[in-house]
Amino acid sequence: SAVISQKPSRDICQRGTSLTIQCQVDSQVTMMFWYRQQPGQSLTLIATANQGSEATYESGFVIDKFPISRPNLTFSTLTVSNMSPEDSSIYLCSVEAQGLGQGSTDTQYFGPGTRLTVL
Amino acid sequence: SQQGEEDPQALSIQEGENATMNCSYKTSINNLQWYRQNSGRGLVHLILIRSNEREKHSGRLRVTLDTSKKSSSLLITASRAADTASYFCATDRTGGKLIFGQGTELSVKP
Repeated sequence: SAVISQKPSRDICQRGTSLTIQCQVDSQVTMMFWYRQQPGQSLTLIATANQGSEATYESGFVIDKFPISRPNLTFSTLTVSNMSPEDSSIYLCSVEAQGLGQGSTDTQYFGPGTRLTVL
Repeated sequence: SQQGEEDPQALSIQEGENATMNCSYKTSINNLQWYRQNSGRGLVHLILIRSNEREKHSGRLRVTLDTSKKSSSLLITASRAADTASYFCATDRTGGKLIFGQGTELSVKP
């Protein structure tokens, strides 16, 4: 399985500031995904990040609020901009095993998450 | 919109008992995956079942898929206190985008 790390693991931020979350994979992958999990809720896809192209955002999420970078095949960042308490969530990145060259499986692996609290 | 619906929302059992969680979805799928999450941490992948499969086993886990009813179930046999966690089903969309169910919070009491 893929080894996926995220930084920071948690943070407490002030309203109006921005936080950049990093996701590092130990193998090259084409697609990386960013999810949000609000307190007590399930996961919702924010965007898909492909290397060399603009991220594709899901309904309800916009680039101005959640800019994403994908500078290479092992790394991506998600920025939560102009934060409000409603942005308090766990943010997770994921990759497909297929993209890791692990056969034809469509299994997705997730990073450990970044727990964000906005005051 | 969320495609997966899970029930029960919460389940409390004694160690050694079996736990069954159900997941329903709305549209056709390529595969369905089950994940475990401990105390709001990262997701651990448990098992993937493809749309042309009906049942799959992995250790104490048994997953079934009924595409005619658009539903899946996860059975954990001989549960242990360490199985206490939230369990999510996730169905794929095109391009690897997953849609998650609301999850079942399982509590296994020693």
